Parts: sequence; C-alpha cells; structure tokens
Amino acid sequence: DTGVSQDPRHKITKRGQNVTFRCDPISEHNRLYWYRQTLGQGPEFLTYFQNEAQLEKSRLLSDRFSAERPKGSFSTLEIQRTEQGDSAMYLCASSFDRNSPLHFGNGTRLTVT
Amino acid sequence: SQKIEQNSEALNIQEGKTATLTCNYTNYSPAYLQWYRQDPGRGPVFLLLIRENEKEKRKERLKVTFDTTLKQSLFHITASQPADSATYLCALETNDYKLSFGAGTTVTVRA
Repeated sequence: DTGVSQDPRHKITKRGQNVTFRCDPISEHNRLYWYRQTLGQGPEFLTYFQNEAQLEKSRLLSDRFSAERPKGSFSTLEIQRTEQGDSAMYLCASSFDRNSPLHFGNGTRLTVT
Repeated sequence: SQKIEQNSEALNIQEGKTATLTCNYTNYSPAYLQWYRQDPGRGPVFLLLIRENEKEKRKERLKVTFDTTLKQSLFHITASQPADSATYLCALETNDYKLSFGAGTTVTVRA
C-alpha cells in the first residue's frame, strides 16, 4: 500500500491556461474522489468515480472542469481557461467502497496568476 | 439547506489537558460520521468512524460521541500532546453517497 499519490504537488499557471492534475489511488480501491479546499475551509466535493464510471459531479463545478478515470485506475482532473478563483488545493481520495473511510493524497496546490 | 458546523474558534490548550471539539449538523440523517486530522500542506487522515447506532467510540487517547437526536458529535483528545496540534475535520455522508466536510477546528497544544 503506497497510498494515494498526486502529481504535481504545486502548479502555478497564468489565467486562461489549461491545467491537468493526476491522481493514482490505492490499487484495490474502487472509488475515487476529487475535492477542492481553500484556506480555512474543509474539503469541498467535486466529483467521484466508481471504477471508471463518473457517478456524480458537483453542481458547483463549472463546465471548465472535467475528470476522467480510464480503465478504473488513475484519474485526471482538467481545468480549462483557468481563473484566479480556481486557486486552491485539489485533493484526491480513494476508498474501497461506500462505507470505507477515505484515503487522501497530499494534494496539488494550484495558483492562478 | 444542509450544514455541517464545527467550532469556529481555534482551540489552544495546555499539554495534558483534554480538547473537546464539536460538530453540529442540520438537515442530514447520516448513517455514520467520520473524523479526520489534517496537518498544514497535507491531505486529511482518517481517525475514527462512528455509526448512528453507536453512542461512543474510542481509539487510544481519542473519543467520539454521536447524538443523532441533538445532531451532534463530540471529539475528545485526552492527555493532549503538542504532536496533536492540527486541524480536525468532521465529515458526514450525504444522501448521494458522498462525504461532506465541516470547515475544521484548529487545535494547538502548548508544551
């Protein structure tokens, strides 16, 4: 069990650019989640996958955000035409099933200038 | 609307004392509630899960209670140590099978 890994750890980009983050979950975990966290707040749900199927996407998530989990393994989160308001920590988590605790990665910190 | 509220004030306590954190929720009927610890620049780490039919759960120096009538969970750190300094998050499963988090309470334990 190597834990959940996220790449990159930090990303600085200019407004209007596209960015993509990667998450490698714990290998036997079926569920994968993306959360966003800003300073002083708890993680905010973005989307989750059961294997390769994306089962829910937050209503707060604009169409600029898209996530994939091909073959039910790693996942990518893409943000198109980044805005300064997208600056946050993007956290990935995985779990074995619905009733299991989440295992989080250490996040990707995005700064949009 | 659904809300999860934790102590808004940071908690500063002396080493050896007990820290008590509160998590209140409205318009949820969760089957269970979880507590996580988060250190600066790191992802949350799972600590404890308590189910709706459990009143209390313990793990080493940690104790969690769950009162579904009051819609409240209390999280206790007994015999606190400086290494316990962190932000503690409570989380509930919402109707659509996702985990929603409170804003967290920051605890600082002074030596």
